[in-house]
Amino acid sequence: EVQLVESGGGLVQPGGSLRLSCEVSGFTFSNYKMRWVRQAPGTGLEWVATITQDGSEKYYVGSVKGRFTISRDNAKNSLYLQMNDLRIEDTAVYYCSSPHPGSGYNFGYWGQGTLVSVFS
Amino acid sequence: QSALTQPASVSGSPGQSVTISCTGSSSDVGASNFVSWYQQHPFKAPKLVIFDVTERPSGVSNRFSGSKSDNTASLTISGLQAEDEAEYYCASHRRVNTPWIFGGGTKLTVL
Repeated sequence: EVQLVESGGGLVQPGGSLRLSCEVSGFTFSNYKMRWVRQAPGTGLEWVATITQDGSEKYYVGSVKGRFTISRDNAKNSLYLQMNDLRIEDTAVYYCSSPHPGSGYNFGYWGQGTLVSVFS
Repeated sequence: QSALTQPASVSGSPGQSVTISCTGSSSDVGASNFVSWYQQHPFKAPKLVIFDVTERPSGVSNRFSGSKSDNTASLTISGLQAEDEAEYYCASHRRVNTPWIFGGGTKLTVL
């Protein structure tokens, strides 16, 4: 059974930092791109970042470039999101996601999400 | 374009069919074989129901089907059931700007 479990969310003031983690099981982690998606309260889904299988390529939505860093440790089956210089508008539930094995281009599996609240 | 365009809400009675549209542009939906759909119940994580425009993951009811014409993708749910009441989001991969764009979401109400 595929499982993704996020952790690391919490309350932080503007300008602060948090590091989110996502531990996965049930599939060969190193074979798949991984992604972070967020959902601000009462709003829709927003793709945040993608990392390739070996971590050599990383892609970000414009609003987080230079502030967020996606990384992975294939030996630990873990995905990370380092979030620096947090802003109020970064408040959201953050989900890690892996693709359905039938195709790499989707968000096939999701974690339960971890809430990041940025407040002054 | 900040988001694909979906109707804010649709509704149908049990047993009926509903279709949710997802309109983009020639840079995303129109050019992509990688349009997917997600079902999200309140306070739950999204769930993949359609990928690659028309493909259904194992375990997803065959009442869910997907299609695409030009710049608009569609999700059809037939034989509506109470459990289908949820928010639905489309997503498209694209090769310009950010690689992924989501729709704004559609609230499905089963009357």
